[in-house]
Amino acid sequence: DIQMTQSPSSLSASVGDRVTITCQASQDINNYLNWYQQKPGKAPNLLISDASNLETGVPSRFSGSGSGTYFTFTITSLQPEDVATYYCQQYDNLSVTFGGGTKVKIK
Amino acid sequence: EVQLVESGGGLVQPGRSLRLSCAASGFIFNDYAMHWVRQTPGKGLEWVSGISWDSDNIVYADSVKGRFTISRDNAKNSLYLQMNSLRAEDTALYYCAKVWTFKTVFDIWGQGTMVTVSS
Repeated sequence: DIQMTQSPSSLSASVGDRVTITCQASQDINNYLNWYQQKPGKAPNLLISDASNLETGVPSRFSGSGSGTYFTFTITSLQPEDVATYYCQQYDNLSVTFGGGTKVKIK
Repeated sequence: EVQLVESGGGLVQPGRSLRLSCAASGFIFNDYAMHWVRQTPGKGLEWVSGISWDSDNIVYADSVKGRFTISRDNAKNSLYLQMNSLRAEDTALYYCAKVWTFKTVFDIWGQGTMVTVSS
């Protein structure tokens, strides 16, 4: 099974800061990597698909990049409403794995 | 409105069974594969199982293989998860989720149904 190592597990940043989360796959997953945002008490919400495709309606301050085994998720200017836990998710053939999540807080 | 509504969760003793249901509306259910994803309280997401639109392809996480069975009834726009031999570590909020055609991108999620396995 493909393992996804997401880091950091939590971070605290100021409003306006640039925030970066990484996700590393245990083997090449091409660009089959998605990013989700989950706010407390809510289901996850798809932000980015296939490593870098921003979903319709998602603010442009969110972005993703990478391919193969290393991926990054960036919030260019952190806003109060971005407080949430973010998850990466890979899909390769019939396998699906989530990263452990990154809890983003405001300093 | 596209919607998934799970039901069937509850408190169950270890070793017993439970069947979860997910009612879909607002989209052509039989066009899409469907999955179950669970989340332990305060912890991360764990994929559980997936089923193709026509039920021909079914996959399970190793942690539930042999104990859980996923199925669907396209005539009823419904997805199911039969959970047998439940363990304490199966305690979680269970989400059903719709994926894109040809790609396992979870674009629609239900609100989840809580399963607690305890004596």
